[in-house]
Amino acid sequence: NAGVTQTPKFRVLKTGQSMTLLCAQDMNHEYMYWYRQDPGMGLRLIHYSVGEGTTAKGEVPDGYNVSRLKKQNFLLGLESAAPSQTSVYFCASSTRTGVYNEQFFGPGTRLTVL
Amino acid sequence: DQQVKQNSPSLSVQEGRISILNCDYTNSMFDYFLWYKKYPAEGPTFLISISSIKDKNEDGRFTVFLNKSAKHLSLHIVPSQPGDSAVYFCAASVITGGFKTIFGAGTRLFVKA
Repeated sequence: NAGVTQTPKFRVLKTGQSMTLLCAQDMNHEYMYWYRQDPGMGLRLIHYSVGEGTTAKGEVPDGYNVSRLKKQNFLLGLESAAPSQTSVYFCASSTRTGVYNEQFFGPGTRLTVL
Repeated sequence: DQQVKQNSPSLSVQEGRISILNCDYTNSMFDYFLWYKKYPAEGPTFLISISSIKDKNEDGRFTVFLNKSAKHLSLHIVPSQPGDSAVYFCAASVITGGFKTIFGAGTRLFVKA
């Protein structure tokens, strides 16, 4: 049981490049989330999904897109990376009844945009 | 405007003593609070939570206290152990409000042996 995994762990991009971060969970969770963590800012919700095929915007969605084609996967895309998107990205998942309960986090992806 | 504030970026405590981590919130609609613990190069892991209908929840060495009138919660760790050295995030949510869990900036705890 791997829990929540994220690919890649590290990535360096140049401004304007695109990339996709992959999140996978094997806990059969309905809900999945993408957060970014910046110094002094805590975790901020980018996008989330309440089920396969559905996504919604969080607190800081601009510059990101997401897709949830399969229940176990949640992809975060950056179409044209900007230095302001340098951050650590965390994916999380939770059960249907766990909206306010615990979320299970992946190990994070450290992204640097030059 | 940070709705959940952890005003102490770091805290250093001697092994065996009590660690007290504080968290303040501004939104009176929050009715469920959680603490997460994060080690370097790992994702946060859930530690303990409390509903707004309670003022205390205890789990082993960890106790969370909630003071609704002051919009303040605290996490007590007794006794502190070196393995408790980590970043602790306070989080708040509205049970009927969908998916908004707001996290504080975190407090880095150092437990000295």
